[in-house]
Amino acid sequence: DGGITQSPKYLFRKEGQNVTLSCEQNLNHDAMYWYRQDPGQGLRLIYYSQIVNDFQKGDIAEGYSVSREKKESFPLTVTSAQKNPTAFYLCASSISTGTGKNTEAFFGQGTRLTVV
Amino acid sequence: QKEVEQNSGPLSVPEGAIASLNCTYSDRGSQSFFWYRQYSGKSPELIMFIYSNGDKEDGRFTAQLNKASQYVSLLIRDSQPSDSATYLCASLDTGRRALTFGSGTRLQVQP
Repeated sequence: DGGITQSPKYLFRKEGQNVTLSCEQNLNHDAMYWYRQDPGQGLRLIYYSQIVNDFQKGDIAEGYSVSREKKESFPLTVTSAQKNPTAFYLCASSISTGTGKNTEAFFGQGTRLTVV
Repeated sequence: QKEVEQNSGPLSVPEGAIASLNCTYSDRGSQSFFWYRQYSGKSPELIMFIYSNGDKEDGRFTAQLNKASQYVSLLIRDSQPSDSATYLCASLDTGRRALTFGSGTRLQVQP
């Protein structure tokens, strides 16, 4: 089945640690995105990538890093510089071209990160 | 910064009624708009897409777009308790080619 797989589902981080969230898709989509969602809030864009080996900062990139070495994979690292990382992290992908429905973003199941 | 605004709610309607959810956006260049439904603790799922001015119907859902007023709405007819969720409005940022989301409206359908 085609889709987006995020792992782990739950992640606990100690103060000062870096952690990496995995995102893999087999939809053959060019574009991939990372969003952060805080309780009662909408989704805020962290990083996005329209093509392999290229990515751009979103609205809240500070304290995060990404890589896009393969079309299928877009891991997100939450660094110790991110002062308030507890949130629900969502990875998404889309076809990327055009302006129609094919720009729909498909989401993974999310990773809930908690600082302990 | 380009913004999408929604009333956070909760919007409470009785079962069988019409639920009306509204959204405004700041980017006049936006052309594509999406409504996602998100159940508590789950990821968003697309329920409607609209690109042209006017109405678009899909089953019990109708999306309405007014580009002159920069306004998007979602109507849910014959609301069911299973429709209780948060509804996220999103616009496509044509510069970044990424979706900009509103904060969502929580809908409660009372049996």
